[in-house]
Amino acid sequence: NAGVTQTPKFRILKIGQSMTLQCTQDMNHNYMYWYRQDPGMGLKLIYYSVGAGITDKGEVPNGYNVSRSTTEDFPLRLELAAPSQTSVYFCASSSPLLTTNEKLFFGSGTQLSVL
Amino acid sequence: AQTVTQSQPEMSVQEAETVTLSCTYDTSESDYYLFWYKQPPSRQMILVIRQEAYKQQNATENRFSVNFQKAAKSFSLKISDSQLGDAAMYFCALLYNQGGKLIFGQGTELSVKP
Repeated sequence: NAGVTQTPKFRILKIGQSMTLQCTQDMNHNYMYWYRQDPGMGLKLIYYSVGAGITDKGEVPNGYNVSRSTTEDFPLRLELAAPSQTSVYFCASSSPLLTTNEKLFFGSGTQLSVL
Repeated sequence: AQTVTQSQPEMSVQEAETVTLSCTYDTSESDYYLFWYKQPPSRQMILVIRQEAYKQQNATENRFSVNFQKAAKSFSLKISDSQLGDAAMYFCALLYNQGGKLIFGQGTELSVKP
């Protein structure tokens, strides 16, 4: 059982370049999330999805885009990379968070540097 | 805007003692839920305890309990009889928007001294 898989683990981008952070889960979770974690700042929600075809903005969506064409995949797109997007990115998935057996799983993270 | 604030970046407790982690939040929603999650080095978020905003009674889960002060928008976590395995990063989290939007505080790194 792989859980939540994120690729790549590390990436260095030049200003203005674009890239896609991949996230896939094999637990048939409807809820998926993208967070960024800056030192001392905790986790900030970028985008989230409550099911295939449904996405919504989080706390810091500017500069990012997402899609959710399948239950398993939730890629995060950076179109014009900026130094302010240097961060560690986490994808997460969960079963409905209000059930008694809810589970929230995080990927191992992607460390992104924009230079 | 909804926010979650944890003002203690690091806390330390002696084994078998009690420690309290602080969390304050702000929301305009009437229907919301509060969580404490534990994040060990494996990065998997482990649910510690959950509180429904409409419930006045403070949630408890074995050695873990919360002090939920709705009017003050405060949600602190008390860990009793601390154990070495309690050492981890602890995140306070707020769930709103009909159960879809989950935001976190900055986290508190808890160390447990033997």
